[in-house]
Amino acid sequence: SQKIEQNSEALNIQEGKTATLTCNYTNYSPAYLQWYRQDPGRGPVFLLLIRENEKEKRKERLKVTFDTTLKQSLFHITASQPADSATYLCALPSGGGADGLTFGKGTHLIIQP
Amino acid sequence: ETGVTQTPRHLVMGMTNKKSLKCEQHLGHNAMYWYKQSAKKPLELMFVYNFKEQTENNSVPSRFSPECPNSSHLFLHLHTLQPEDSALYLCASSPFGQGNNNSPLHFGNGTRLTVT
Repeated sequence: SQKIEQNSEALNIQEGKTATLTCNYTNYSPAYLQWYRQDPGRGPVFLLLIRENEKEKRKERLKVTFDTTLKQSLFHITASQPADSATYLCALPSGGGADGLTFGKGTHLIIQP
Repeated sequence: ETGVTQTPRHLVMGMTNKKSLKCEQHLGHNAMYWYKQSAKKPLELMFVYNFKEQTENNSVPSRFSPECPNSSHLFLHLHTLQPEDSALYLCASSPFGQGNNNSPLHFGNGTRLTVT
């Protein structure tokens, strides 16, 4: 089964800087990878999906890269704001034709004013 | 409003109780999921239903019993739970199951379950 590693410690970033979060996976390379945002007491909210044949995907201040050689995805938030503070989760298909996604533990991002 | 509604938001139950969690989606999706989220652990997939048929049971103990009467509703029946079952239980839906499609999951805000 797929294993996912994300920075388990909180990431503190100064407002206005770029925040970069890392997602590493083991085993097979997935056909796609998804990123979610989760706020306290709420369910995760989908942000971006990137496919294995895409190197980079952008949405407003968000950018995701996907390197199948390194088995890694990077998630960037440019011009970060305190409202971007949340836990960000990386998710991959569970594999073997199974339904459902496998999630990482998430990285808690704190943007300091 | 997420389009996926879970009730109740909070539930406290004793180990001998029987209770049910409810999930309803208004998105016209065909796949529904139960995930468990415990502190400091990643989301754990419990069950998947695709067109009302259960397609995944991720080695979940039998004290958790899912039910999917139609594509819009999903229940999780609980009985004789243990304190370690205390967690946030999240329901999600997607247009189709992930095995065939890369569509994102739409989550509800969960039921915070405490077993005493």
